[in-house]
Amino acid sequence: AQTVTQSQPEMSVQEAETVTLSCTYDTSESNYYLFWYKQPPSRQMILVIRQEAYKQQNATENRFSVNFQKAAKSFSLKISDSQLGDTAMYFCAFMKPDYNDMRFGAGTRLTVKP
Amino acid sequence: GAVVSQHPSWVICKSGTSVKIECRSLDFQATTMFWYRQFPKQSLMLMATSNEGSKATYEQGVEKDKFLINHASLTLSTLTVTSAHPEDSSFYICSASAQNEASVEQYFGPGTRLTVT
Repeated sequence: AQTVTQSQPEMSVQEAETVTLSCTYDTSESNYYLFWYKQPPSRQMILVIRQEAYKQQNATENRFSVNFQKAAKSFSLKISDSQLGDTAMYFCAFMKPDYNDMRFGAGTRLTVKP
Repeated sequence: GAVVSQHPSWVICKSGTSVKIECRSLDFQATTMFWYRQFPKQSLMLMATSNEGSKATYEQGVEKDKFLINHASLTLSTLTVTSAHPEDSSFYICSASAQNEASVEQYFGPGTRLTVT
């Protein structure tokens, strides 16, 4: 079974600074997908970024980028120029290609301070 | 973009009664829908996966007779919590995917808060 570990229950960062959220996972699969989701107080899950395991290039989406280390099974999220609206729970997730098995980490609560 | 709705957004029911939660894909056909449960300050836990026209596949530890899932059409899945008890109080989230697209993304609904008194 796949497991996803987020070892930082809470983090805080000053507005405009950079913060990195950690995620590690365990799998015997060679092909899979990794995601970072944001869950603001409204509790609507919002996709932040997606990484396909067979792609070596790290995914980026504007201020959000990942450091994907497949051998180390590590998938960290870097948020640059943090904004107050980035305050939320962030979940790392793993999914097998059959689309039927998305597993979430425990989450990291990020607070951006003015 | 793809939109998934849930109804109701919140519901309060008495212990022993049943409650139905609907999940709809508004602008795409969802061949697969997923139901998650999220307790306060915890992560999302997958409860079951349903494919249109087939019986749902439940995760280990989830009672299929208590959490009835129906996916009768490509745009609607329902979760019925039967004989609800206070420990069933939680936030229930559905998601949907369209496997006929290139994307593997799951589109999440806004969630339903269930309180059992």
